[in-house]
Amino acid sequence: EAQVTQNPRYLITVTGKKLTVTCSQNMNHEYMSWYRQDPGLGLRQIYYSMNVEVTDKGDVPEGYKVSRKEKRNFPLILESPSPNQTSLYFCASSLRQGGEQFFGPGTRLTVL
Amino acid sequence: KQEVTQIPAALSVPEGENLVLNCSFTDSAIYNLQWFRQDPGKGLTSLLLIQSSQREQTSGRLNASLDKSSGRSTLYIAASQPGDSATYLCAVSGHIQGAQKLVFGQGTRLTINP
Repeated sequence: EAQVTQNPRYLITVTGKKLTVTCSQNMNHEYMSWYRQDPGLGLRQIYYSMNVEVTDKGDVPEGYKVSRKEKRNFPLILESPSPNQTSLYFCASSLRQGGEQFFGPGTRLTVL
Repeated sequence: KQEVTQIPAALSVPEGENLVLNCSFTDSAIYNLQWFRQDPGKGLTSLLLIQSSQREQTSGRLNASLDKSSGRSTLYIAASQPGDSATYLCAVSGHIQGAQKLVFGQGTRLTINP
């Protein structure tokens, strides 16, 4: 089944404890993105990647890192999480630039 | 900076009605516009994608139109059903140089009453 998977789905952590949210797609898509969704602010793009080793900032990249060492994986790294990064995170992929985006199920992160 | 607005924020209609959801954007230099559906606690499902050169797209009971010059798109849902209840989001991609940068509206929460 063609899909985007994220792990973990739920995570509660404490301020300053490094964490990684994984994202993987099995559709051989070139493009991948990370978004966060907050009440009243909607979905905002954090980072995106056009290919292996090629990434660029979205609208809210502060406090996040990404890497794209393999085409199928695009992990989101929070080196020192803070409470304002409590949010619902989505990973997405698309076959081509500007193409239809396929979203993962989301990761709900709480930083205490 | 691109801004996307969806009005109304919430809409409740009886089953069987035809309805229109609205999306407006401030910068007409877009690459495409997509409509998504989001069910509570779940991810987004792509419904329709309209390229900037297109005027409309249809899928089943859904029809999306795009008027780039006026910065507007509409999603028309025919013969609404309770299963259509969800939040509907529109998103625009910047021009080809930044085509992967999506800007979302805040969504319209739709409730179809049996």
